[in-house]
Amino acid sequence: DTAVSQTPKYLVTQMGNDKSIKCEQNLGHDTMYWYKQDSKKFLKIMFSYNNKELIINETVPNRFSPKSPDKAHLNLHINSLELGDSAVYFCASSQDSGTGNTIYFGEGSWLTVV
Amino acid sequence: AQSVTQLDSQVPVFEEAPVELRCNYSSSVSVYLFWYVQYPNQGLQLLLKYLSGSTLVKGINGFEAEFNKSQTSFHLRKPSVHISDTAEYFCAVSFSGGGNKLTFGTGTQLKVEL
Repeated sequence: DTAVSQTPKYLVTQMGNDKSIKCEQNLGHDTMYWYKQDSKKFLKIMFSYNNKELIINETVPNRFSPKSPDKAHLNLHINSLELGDSAVYFCASSQDSGTGNTIYFGEGSWLTVV
Repeated sequence: AQSVTQLDSQVPVFEEAPVELRCNYSSSVSVYLFWYVQYPNQGLQLLLKYLSGSTLVKGINGFEAEFNKSQTSFHLRKPSVHISDTAEYFCAVSFSGGGNKLTFGTGTQLKVEL
């Protein structure tokens, strides 16, 4: 069973479109995250939710809107896609939001904007 | 400023040779340290972590790392590498008081050759 699963794995879309990436974790964790990995493989946190509540928002354009319907799910919706949004988006989770908790990553969603 | 540095972007090594991947950090607060591995087109997998206690930490796949507070380093080592160790390795740090947010280094591509 995949602990943190995200769909789709690959997504190619045109500029200006709106798209969503879905994420689910079956680890019973309270905290979920979205990280972005750019073309140079640099990883940076975007958002973190704890029990459906937003706790970290790292200066991400407001075209990106995370939604957590319950603590096992954290979806990422992106409006008006731009070329610079092309990246790998990783969903992740941890037991709770305490510093030092191990963060478990999903397999990634490869987004290409053309 | 709090930061993580991986000085080596690529490390080529022959199979069965030892390897060390370097990681240094800068912080005015306590830190928690992690090493993750990313195989091609896959997510990140935790190799090992240091939270407290013994400064020598053993992880999966025969890797170990040593926390050196005076040198602000957390270098990753393996005494004998295998072809299957070819991957991207990321050092990551959580800074005390910063929430459970990982700050990643820029990664080191380990290439194991026959």
